[in-house]
Amino acid sequence: GAGVSQSPRYKVAKRGQDVALRCDPISGHVSLFWYQQALGQGPEFLTYFQNEAQLDKSGLPSDRFFAERPEGSVSTLKIQRTQQEDSAVYLCASSLGPGSGNTIYFGEGSWLTVV
Amino acid sequence: EDKVVQSPLSLVVHEGDTVTLNCSYEVTNFRSLLWYKQEKKAPTFLFMLTSSGIEKKSGRLSSILDKKELFSILNITATQTGDSAIYLCAVRNSGGSNYKLTFGKGTLLTVNP
Repeated sequence: GAGVSQSPRYKVAKRGQDVALRCDPISGHVSLFWYQQALGQGPEFLTYFQNEAQLDKSGLPSDRFFAERPEGSVSTLKIQRTQQEDSAVYLCASSLGPGSGNTIYFGEGSWLTVV
Repeated sequence: EDKVVQSPLSLVVHEGDTVTLNCSYEVTNFRSLLWYKQEKKAPTFLFMLTSSGIEKKSGRLSSILDKKELFSILNITATQTGDSAIYLCAVRNSGGSNYKLTFGKGTLLTVNP
């Protein structure tokens, strides 16, 4: 597609439920990022992939969060046993490569509400 | 740890007004500063600044960087209701984690007709 595509756009989960958020990056983009944006805050880095390799997962808030990109294209962010503090917008982004001159393009986000 | 502070956090103006949004930063090994516009959808890229004193311009929007004083401003002239959005400032370092953006909290701009 023309842009970064995320699904679902909106998800309401009961506390304790597992959720999976999907990201389709721009075709050919090597770099893929996940960010978390809580209400009234700027996006915060969660994890970074270069192709299928997860090079940085330092931003994942707990071991309940897991991300994968097995074939170097589509990525999934999984949150196990969701808690209310997980409520946020989860933004996926991609860029052509890791170089700092490459523009990072964001998807529209998956809005997660945990009740 | 890289840090970005934006001000004001929110701003309400009337159509036609000119606004200036501020972004100050602390970065180890600064590489670039980026501005994004976020409506109720994907943050969209506006500008990337790497050099001091060189203004980047796109229509009614312009931005400049001061690497000595560690800040950037985003100007919007003749504001329109469609400019209403959150404006995000982010920085990138040139170290081992140069792929990562560190964002400020954003400035919520509301333009009333």
